[in-house]
Amino acid sequence: DTAVSQTPKYLVTQMGNDKSIKCEQNLGHDTMYWYKQDSKKFLKIMFSYNNKELIINETVPNRFSPKSPDKAHLNLHINSLELGDSAVYFCASSPSQRERTDTQYFGPGTRLTVL
Amino acid sequence: AQKITQTQPGMFVQEKEAVTLDCTYDTSDPSYGLFWYKQPSSGEMIFLIYQGSYDQQNATEGRYSLNFQKARKSANLVISASQLGDSAMYFCAMMRRDDKIIFGKGTRLHILP
Repeated sequence: DTAVSQTPKYLVTQMGNDKSIKCEQNLGHDTMYWYKQDSKKFLKIMFSYNNKELIINETVPNRFSPKSPDKAHLNLHINSLELGDSAVYFCASSPSQRERTDTQYFGPGTRLTVL
Repeated sequence: AQKITQTQPGMFVQEKEAVTLDCTYDTSDPSYGLFWYKQPSSGEMIFLIYQGSYDQQNATEGRYSLNFQKARKSANLVISASQLGDSAMYFCAMMRRDDKIIFGKGTRLHILP
């Protein structure tokens, strides 16, 4: 009964390829997020969706495109992968975007390695 | 600028001792939320404890407590009776006015047997 799940857990790919990471939450939350954790363990938010609508879009290259088919899913598609994209990507969800202090629950992370 | 500062990149603590992980934050928002997350070597992020800026009492969750000193803008995590399984990275985080959550750089905690 995993709350926030991501697939795949590990992803190794060549530079220039296009790849997707999937995220699903079964908590009934309205809001989902994508974070990037770099090699120095610093977490930065990338995107936030509330009920399938884009809320937060940080300064992220447009090679990154989130897609939310429904409020339980937020997938991250990355085009033309670059070496600097290597990182751990975390999906998270929270009950509501309106309640600013809602706890976010994180998925297990996807370690992306671009060769 | 709003930010979270964790000044201890690494700590070593003897098992069963209490440990305090430091976190200071900077914000001009009157309302905000503070969080602590644990990231074990397996990589997942685990929510530990939450403190609202208007909460009168310090938050507690089992062996975790948050020493919230609003005037000093600090939100230190206290782990009582540390266990080997507490070895992990610990992140302090704050939710800003614009609903973005920002993280500190983390503290790596090592519990020694």
